[in-house]
Amino acid sequence: GAGVSQSPSNKVTEKGKDVELRCDPISGHTALYWYRQSLGQGLEFLIYFQGNSAPDKSGLPSDRFSAERTGGSVSTLTIQRTQQEDSAVYLCASSSEGLAGGALKYFGPGTRLTVL
Amino acid sequence: AQSVTQLDSQVPVFEEAPVELRCNYSSSVSVYLFWYVQYPNQGLQLLLKYLSGSTLVESINGFEAEFNKSQTSFHLRKPSVHISDTAEYFCAVSDLDTDKLIFGTGTRLQVFP
Repeated sequence: GAGVSQSPSNKVTEKGKDVELRCDPISGHTALYWYRQSLGQGLEFLIYFQGNSAPDKSGLPSDRFSAERTGGSVSTLTIQRTQQEDSAVYLCASSSEGLAGGALKYFGPGTRLTVL
Repeated sequence: AQSVTQLDSQVPVFEEAPVELRCNYSSSVSVYLFWYVQYPNQGLQLLLKYLSGSTLVESINGFEAEFNKSQTSFHLRKPSVHISDTAEYFCAVSDLDTDKLIFGTGTRLQVFP
């Protein structure tokens, strides 16, 4: 597709369950980012991939959060034993230039996660 | 650590009035600066960016922002807003040698007829 896509668009889960969120970056983009948008918290950086490796995972809030990227393309963000405070919109972005602060990042529409 | 402050969480304004959305960042090093816009039920879109050169940058829909290094500010302005400008606006900063965008908490611009 032409842009960054994310699935599912909405996810409702029960507290304690695991969830997987998927991001398909723009074809050819080497850098991929995950952000979280919570009500009243703004946008928080979670993790950054350059190719399949993650040079910066400093934003992951706890060890319940993990992410991987395979084939330099699709990325999956996994949240284990979800808690209500994990409820947020999870945004993925990609760019064609990594390790360059001015690289233009294209954002996906997000996955809205609700933990009951 | 980098931080971005958007002092106004909401800015109500009438159509055709001027508007300024404030953004300040905390950094003593050179940075790149961005404004992103999120229209209702849509994803984040880049509105404009400052990388280097002229301190005044413009978008295609009439917004402009001026980089002021001494005041560490990057305020967004538009001389005459439209109803369609109603959206959430996010200011963001990144270091020259890292690739992590740090966002402000956003300003909701509400334009009334």
